[in-house]
Amino acid sequence: SQQGEEDPQALSIQEGENATMNCSYKTSINNLQWYRQNSGRGLVHLILIRSNEREKHSGRLRVTLDTSKKSSSLLITASRAADTASYFCATDRIQGAQKLVFGQGTRLTINP
Amino acid sequence: GAVVSQHPSWVICKSGTSVKIECRSLDFQATTMFWYRQFPKQSLMLMATSNEGSKATYEQGVEKDKFLINHASLTLSTLTVTSAHPEDSSFYICSARDRTSGGPYNEQFFGPGTRLTVL
Repeated sequence: SQQGEEDPQALSIQEGENATMNCSYKTSINNLQWYRQNSGRGLVHLILIRSNEREKHSGRLRVTLDTSKKSSSLLITASRAADTASYFCATDRIQGAQKLVFGQGTRLTINP
Repeated sequence: GAVVSQHPSWVICKSGTSVKIECRSLDFQATTMFWYRQFPKQSLMLMATSNEGSKATYEQGVEKDKFLINHASLTLSTLTVTSAHPEDSSFYICSARDRTSGGPYNEQFFGPGTRLTVL
C-alpha cells in the first residue's frame, strides 16, 4: 500500500522559477528519500534525509523534513527544462521490514 | 552509488507464456531485494521483498503463484511472470539494499526497469 501522498499531483511552471513539492506520510520513519523519474525511464536518487535531520541541500535541491507533521518538501530552485520529470518521495519505515514505500508522485513540467 | 542491473530492458510476449526478468547487484551483496510494478503515469507499487536464501514476502493483493521470485544468491534475484496476460503489461523495477551496512539509513538502489508488453 502507498505510504505517502504528494501534492500537487501536477505542477507546471516557467523556466527559472522555483518548484516546491510536498509529501506527507503516515507512520514513523527512519529516513525519507526523493527520486526523479523521466518518462518511461528508471529512478534517479536525489536526496536521502534521515529522521533526525530537518533540512538537507544538494545543488539546486533543498529538502526539509518535519517528523512532527509527518511531512517533507522538495524545493528545486532556478528550474530548468531538464528538470521536467516525475518526482517521488519514498519512506523507509521504522516498524516492520525495511522497505521503501512510494508516494503518488508529482509530475513537474518546466516550460521554456 | 552501487549499481543494479536488469535484464531484459524490455520484452514482448504472447498471452499465456511465462517471462523471466533478472535483477543483479553488480558491486555489492544484496541481502534484500525488492520488486516493484509501475503502471503508466502511476507510482511504484511494491510487489514483494526477498531475502537471500528464503522465500519472498508478498504484499497484499499480489499473487505469489503468478509472480514467482527467486533470490538464490546475494547478487541475483529473478521475477517470473507466469501465464502472462495483457493486464500484466507494466514496468517492473527491481531494487536492492545491503542490510549489513549503513544501519537503518542504508540506501536502496534501483535497477533501470523492464518494460513488459503482453499481447
